[in-house]
Amino acid sequence: DTGVSQNPRHKITKRGQNVTFRCDPISEHNRLYWYRQTLGQGPEFLTYFQNEAQLEKSRLLSDRFSAERPKGSFSTLEIQRTEQGDSAMYLCASSLGTLAGARTDTQYFGPGTRLTVL
Amino acid sequence: AQSVAQPEDQVNVAEGNPLTVKCTYSVSGNPYLFWYVQYPNRGLQFLLKYITGDNLVKGSYGFEAEFNKSQTSFHLKKPSALVSDSALYFCAVRDMWDSSASKIIFGSGTRLSIRP
Repeated sequence: DTGVSQNPRHKITKRGQNVTFRCDPISEHNRLYWYRQTLGQGPEFLTYFQNEAQLEKSRLLSDRFSAERPKGSFSTLEIQRTEQGDSAMYLCASSLGTLAGARTDTQYFGPGTRLTVL
Repeated sequence: AQSVAQPEDQVNVAEGNPLTVKCTYSVSGNPYLFWYVQYPNRGLQFLLKYITGDNLVKGSYGFEAEFNKSQTSFHLKKPSALVSDSALYFCAVRDMWDSSASKIIFGSGTRLSIRP
C-alpha cells in the first residue's frame, strides 16, 4: 500500500498525559498537512509542511500542540497535557507540490488517528 | 473569508436513481473546489476537483460535478446510484487569492444513503 499511513489508529489516554501521532506520507510528496475532525464536522486545518519547513499554523493549534517533519519525510504531531476537548480524529494528508502552488494540488488523506481523552 | 455550505445533512436515494449532493461556496477570488468521500472509520478519499476549464468535472466511481459560477455552486452528481455509494461526502474550497497557500475549507458533510 503506497498511500498515507498513520499510527496509531486509536489512542485512549487520560487527561493531562502527552500523546504523539505519526504520519508517513506518500513517498514522493513534498507537502504534508494535519487536520482535526470532530464528530459531525468536516476536517479543520491545523498545520502544513513543505519538505521539513512548517509554513503555516492554524490558530486552532494551541501551544500544547507541536508538529515536526525533521527530514522532510514522516511527521509527528504531539499534544501535551491533553484535555477532553482534544478528543477527535486527527487526519494527515500529503500532496505533490506543483508549479501552480499549493492551492491546486490534490491532498491525499490517511486513515486518521482517533484520540479519546478520558 | 472563504466558506462552503452543504445544505443537506442527509440525502436518501433509491438504488439506480440519479443522485445530487449540493454544495455552495463563498470566496473573494476564484475558487478551487474539491469533493471527498469518507467511509466509516476511514480517511477522506479524493473524488474530483475543479481548477479551471470545463465546468463539468468527471471523477472517480462515476461521479461528476458541475461548477456554476453565477450560482456559486459545485453540486456532486451521479446518474445511477449504487448501495456502495452510501458514505459521508465533503465539499471543500480554496480561494486562489487567499494568502494562505494551503488552507482548504471543508463543508460539514452530507450523509448519502442509498437504499436497495
